[in-house]
Amino acid sequence: NAGVTQTPKFQVLKTGQSMTLQCAQDMNHNSMYWYRQDPGMGLRLIYYSASEGTTDKGEVPNGYNVSRLNKREFSLRLESAAPSQTSVYFCAALTESDQPQHFGDGTRLSIL
Amino acid sequence: QKEVEQNSGPLSVPEGAIASLNCTYSDRVSQSFFWYRQYSGKSPELIMSIYSNGDKEDGRFTAQLNKASQYVSLLIRDSQPSDSATYLCAVRNTGGFKTIFGAGTRLFVKA
Repeated sequence: NAGVTQTPKFQVLKTGQSMTLQCAQDMNHNSMYWYRQDPGMGLRLIYYSASEGTTDKGEVPNGYNVSRLNKREFSLRLESAAPSQTSVYFCAALTESDQPQHFGDGTRLSIL
Repeated sequence: QKEVEQNSGPLSVPEGAIASLNCTYSDRVSQSFFWYRQYSGKSPELIMSIYSNGDKEDGRFTAQLNKASQYVSLLIRDSQPSDSATYLCAVRNTGGFKTIFGAGTRLFVKA
């Protein structure tokens, strides 16, 4: 998906390891989001950043931290990975509050 | 109660039929509503957005919003096998940026 880039696309971790998922957007969007998607659960909001310098918790923030490094970048960190965090993670970006979000291609994360 | 609820399905319809997908939400002051389509292994892609009560049509897709009933739906006319996917309803809070998704409805269109 043009505009929102997530890295890596795939990752396997061991329990207890740490990892940072990267997201960058080149559309000058103000707001950025991290979701996780598990089978049958839809997209669940982890954290979001309405604007540069601000972050807020979503539905499932426990076990995660985020950093809005600048307007372009919004990273998600797992300090001590747990098998329950095995999921597909999507980053999204948004310009105005009444506009749809643009999604990245996702990061498939497996924790053993 | 979940903030955004959808019937998980699967919903199975024959090719050429109308598929009706429903979504209810709990935040009465929600203002922006979106329908996304997601193919297996892919990221969500926007189908429709709707902001005011009534119907909004775009090709074979019609979104319907009833804020009094806290209900939004998506109709797909002349369903095609390529419409087989999971459809996600998303709701955004008033004046804000927090967007909550439903669990999605899986749609199968049989040829």
